[in-house]
Parts: sequence; C-alpha cells; structure tokens
Amino acid sequence: DIQMTQSPSSVSASVGDRLTITCRASQGISNWLAWYQQTPGKPPKLLIYDASNLEGGVPSRFSGSGSGTDFTLTISSLQPEDFATYFCQHSNSFPLSFGGGTKVEIK
Amino acid sequence: EVQLLESGGGLVQPGESLRLSCAASGFTFNNYAMTWVRQAPGKGLEWVSGITGIGGGTYYPDSVKGRFTISRDNSRNTLFLQMNSLRAEDTAVYFCAREKMGLRSPGVFDIWGQGTRVTVSS
Repeated sequence: DIQMTQSPSSVSASVGDRLTITCRASQGISNWLAWYQQTPGKPPKLLIYDASNLEGGVPSRFSGSGSGTDFTLTISSLQPEDFATYFCQHSNSFPLSFGGGTKVEIK
Repeated sequence: EVQLLESGGGLVQPGESLRLSCAASGFTFNNYAMTWVRQAPGKGLEWVSGITGIGGGTYYPDSVKGRFTISRDNSRNTLFLQMNSLRAEDTAVYFCAREKMGLRSPGVFDIWGQGTRVTVSS
C-alpha cells in the first residue's frame, strides 16, 4: 500500500504570505495526486488534480507541482478564506489513501 | 444543481450493522464512479470503498474488506454502503463522493455530500 506523508502538519501564517505544503508518496505515483481543502464541519473541496491541474472555480493563487514521489501545493498569497486544512490523496492504485493533513492557521 | 445527500447514520453497538445511502441528483448518475470516504472525530480522511459506474468493479482497503459492501442502484440514482460487524474504530462521518472523470475507476473526487455520522459504542 502507498503511504502519503504531508509536511508540515500545521503552520501559522499571515494574510498575504506565500505558503508551500509538501506531500511525499512512499513509492512513485506518476502524477496521480490530488489536493483538497477542508474547513470545519464541511466536506473536502477539490483544488488540484493530476498534480498540477486546477479544478474549475478554484482561484489561481493555488497551484500544484511534482511527479513521482514528491509534490507541493502552493498558495501564492494567503487570503482569509484559505485558513483551513489541506489533504493530499493519491489515485495511482488501490487502496487509495490521503495524507495526514496540514492545518493552516492565522498567525 | 449537482448534489449528493447521505443518510442512514446513527448510533449502533459493536458487532451490529448499518446501511448508508447516498442520493444523487443533478447529473447522470450511471456515468460516474462513486466512492465512500470517512473521517473519524478530529482525524484525517480515510478512503473506505469505491465502485465503477455500472457497478462491475468494487474496491476496498483491508481495514473494511469483508465487512463493508458498496453497491449502487442506478435506476434510483442511489449509492449504498452496507456495514457489518461494526467496531468502535468505524466511528466517523461518512462522505459519499463522485469521481471527477466519470467512468474512470474512482480516484479523484469533485462532488461531495455533507456526510452522515456513524457512532459505534456500547
């Protein structure tokens, strides 16, 4: 089974900051990686799929990159609505799995 | 409006069974693979099961294999999760979600329901 490891697990940042979250797969997954955003009491929201494709309606300040085992999600300029928890997820093979999450808090 | 609505959650004792439903609307249900994902209180996301558009393929992690069964009724636009031999560690909010790429095997999820809560406790 493929394990997904995110770092950091939490981060404090300010509005306007540039933020990068990392996700590492335990084995190569090509570009079969998605990123989701979740706020408390809500379901996850798809941001990025196939490592770098922006989902429709998602602001362009979000971007994804990487292939193989190492991936990043970047928010170019944090906005108040971006304070949330972010999860990566691979779809290379079954079983699918998610990273442990990165909670982005207001500094 | 594209929508998924889960139901069927509740409080059960260890060893008991529960059947979750997910009613889909606003899209051609049988053109999409579907999945269940759960989230234990205060924890991350765990993929629970997936099913192809016509229901010919089903997928499970080892943690639920043999206890959970995913199915769908395309005539009723409804996804199901039959959960047997429930354990305390199955306590979670259960979300159903739609595969973004349609009939591709479940892997990327663009539409999610609000979730239904399952509590397993004596």
